[in-house]
Amino acid sequence: QQPVQSPQAVILREGEDAVINCSSSKALYSVHWYRQKHGEAPVFLMILLKGGEQKGHEKISASFNEKKQQSSLYLTASQLSYSGTYFCGTEPASGGSNYKLTFGKGTLLTVNP
Amino acid sequence: KAGVTQTPRYLIKTRGQQVTLSCSPISGHRSVSWYQQTPGQGLQFLFEYFSETQRNKGNFPGRFSGRQFSNSRSEMNVSTLELGDSALYLCASSLGTGTNQPQHFGDGTRLSIL
Repeated sequence: QQPVQSPQAVILREGEDAVINCSSSKALYSVHWYRQKHGEAPVFLMILLKGGEQKGHEKISASFNEKKQQSSLYLTASQLSYSGTYFCGTEPASGGSNYKLTFGKGTLLTVNP
Repeated sequence: KAGVTQTPRYLIKTRGQQVTLSCSPISGHRSVSWYQQTPGQGLQFLFEYFSETQRNKGNFPGRFSGRQFSNSRSEMNVSTLELGDSALYLCASSLGTGTNQPQHFGDGTRLSIL
C-alpha cells in the first residue's frame, strides 16, 4: 500500500526549515528517502531501518518511528539547491525475500531566494 | 564510475505497438528495478531482477514484462501499448537486493503514446 506524504507541496524562503512526513498503514521495516529535481533522476538521500534511528545528510536529517509507521524528513536552513520533489519509499516489515519498495506520491519543495 | 544508463531517452509510439526499453546498471550492481512515473500516481514499482531472476512484481498487467541478462543489463517490454502507458520509465540498480540497499536511478525513458 502506497505511503502517504504530507504536505503535498511547500514553499520556503532560503534559510527556513521544513518537515516532510511519510506515513504508512502497515508495519514498516525500512524507509528510503529520495530527491528528484525537475527533469532529472531521483537521487538517494538516506535509508532508515527499523529501530527508530535518526540519520543525517548535510543539513537534512530524518527519523523513523516504527510504532507510528511514520518517518519525517527535516530540512534545516534550506538552500536553493534543496528544491525538488521528495519521495519516501517504504518496505513492509513482512518484506523478506518479497522485498518491494513502495513510493509515496512525493512532496514538491520550492526554495526561493 | 558510470551511472545507470537507460536507452532510449525518448520514444513515441502509437496504440497497439510494442516497445523495448534498456537499462545498464552501475558496474558491479546485480539488482535492477523498474518503475513507472506519472504525475498522478508518482513512482510505481514494476518489477525487480536479481541474478537474472525476477524477484518481485508490481500490480501491472501482463503486457509489462522484463528480463535480465548475465551481465546484469535489463530490458523491459510493453506490448499492445495503450494511451495510459505514457509515462517516464525509470530503472534503478543496487548492489544487491534487500532493505539496506540504496537505489541508483537512471535518467529514464520518456514514452509517449499517440
